[in-house]
Amino acid sequence: SAVISQKPSRDICQRGTSLTIQCQVDSQVTMMFWYRQQPGQSLTLIATANQGSEATYESGFVIDKFPISRPNLTFSTLTVSNMSPEDSSIYLCSVATGGSSSGANVLTFGAGSRLTVL
Amino acid sequence: GQNIDQPTEMTATEGAIVQINCTYQTSGFNGLFWYQQHAGEAPTFLSYNVLDGLEEKGRFSSFLSRSKGYSYLLLKELQMKDSASYLCAVTDSNYQLIWGAGTKLIIKP
Repeated sequence: SAVISQKPSRDICQRGTSLTIQCQVDSQVTMMFWYRQQPGQSLTLIATANQGSEATYESGFVIDKFPISRPNLTFSTLTVSNMSPEDSSIYLCSVATGGSSSGANVLTFGAGSRLTVL
Repeated sequence: GQNIDQPTEMTATEGAIVQINCTYQTSGFNGLFWYQQHAGEAPTFLSYNVLDGLEEKGRFSSFLSRSKGYSYLLLKELQMKDSASYLCAVTDSNYQLIWGAGTKLIIKP
């Protein structure tokens, strides 16, 4: 399965600032996914990052707030813009790789970026 | 709407067996995943079920009943390192992954 390096692992940010999270994969992948995980809650998909085209955002998430770059098949960034305390969460990048004996696409995750907004 | 239900927290004893249930209501079904997530770490893949029945993988087994919208993850011979959250996720008819909130499993000596 793929190995994903994600950084920063954690950060404390001031209200109104922006932070960019980076995700590097050790192999070329078509799609990369950005998730948010708030304490005690489900993983929520923010967007799918496609190389060479605009990211596809899920309902409730917009490009102005969460701009995504995907310059090549091994790298992506997610920016959390104009942060507020409600953005305090863990942000995870992931890629889909074949990994089950049934051939299903298994997700491999980065270690996550824990953001605290004051 | 689409929904996945799991118990919030469970406690079990080292060496024992525990069953974590997951029920789902989704628009279509294209498979169910179980992931393990240790505190402060990324989720890691445990199992995948797409057909009814039991899939066994070492100490872990996963069961699926599509007609009942039900799955469980069975952990045998529990070890302290099994203390983690266990996430159930279902792929719907559009191949979107719907995630449960996870079950925090606490193992006591």
